[in-house]
Amino acid sequence: AQTVTQSQPEMSVQEAETVTLSCTYDTSESDYYLFWYKQPPSRQMILVIRQEAYKQQNATENRFSVNFQKAAKSFSLKISDSQLGDAAMYFCAYSLEGGSQGNLIFGKGTKLSVKP
Amino acid sequence: DTGVSQNPRHKITKRGQNVTFRCDPISEHNRLYWYRQTLGQGPEFLTYFQNEAQLEKSRLLSDRFSAERPKGSFSTLEIQRTEQGDSAMYLCASSRTGRTTDTQYFGPGTRLTVL
Repeated sequence: AQTVTQSQPEMSVQEAETVTLSCTYDTSESDYYLFWYKQPPSRQMILVIRQEAYKQQNATENRFSVNFQKAAKSFSLKISDSQLGDAAMYFCAYSLEGGSQGNLIFGKGTKLSVKP
Repeated sequence: DTGVSQNPRHKITKRGQNVTFRCDPISEHNRLYWYRQTLGQGPEFLTYFQNEAQLEKSRLLSDRFSAERPKGSFSTLEIQRTEQGDSAMYLCASSRTGRTTDTQYFGPGTRLTVL
């Protein structure tokens, strides 16, 4: 069975600094999809970034980028120039069929605090 | 496009009562998912529909839980004879199949408290 592990329950970063959130996963599949979702307090979960396992190039979305290490089954999220609005729970997720077509398997999340 | 909506947002009930939640997906989305999120955990998959067909159910979905999507639009999740362990946030998400670049869009959730 596929599993997703986030080993950092909480992280803190100074505004304008860079922070990296860790995620590891376990799967025997070769094709799959990985995601980072953001869940602000009392607000709905939104997609931050996604990565297809068959792509070697790391995904980037503005200030958000990932370090995808397929052999190590590692998928970390880097947030550059952190802003107060980045404070939230961040969930790493795995899907076998792509975000639109398969159920997501989530990690336990990392609570990110941003200090002004 | 108003996004995924869920009602009610909060529900407090006594143990043993039945509760029903509603999810309205984004209008053109043919897939609808239900997840459960307990405190300090990530969401856990419960079930999903493609149009009106329920295609997969998690082992977490005991026989006290039933979900429907009668016309392939909104969905309801019913919990019968609620237990304190059912207290959680119930999340709904929807997506459109056909393009793997699409993603699941989540609603705000229904927070259930069983006393």
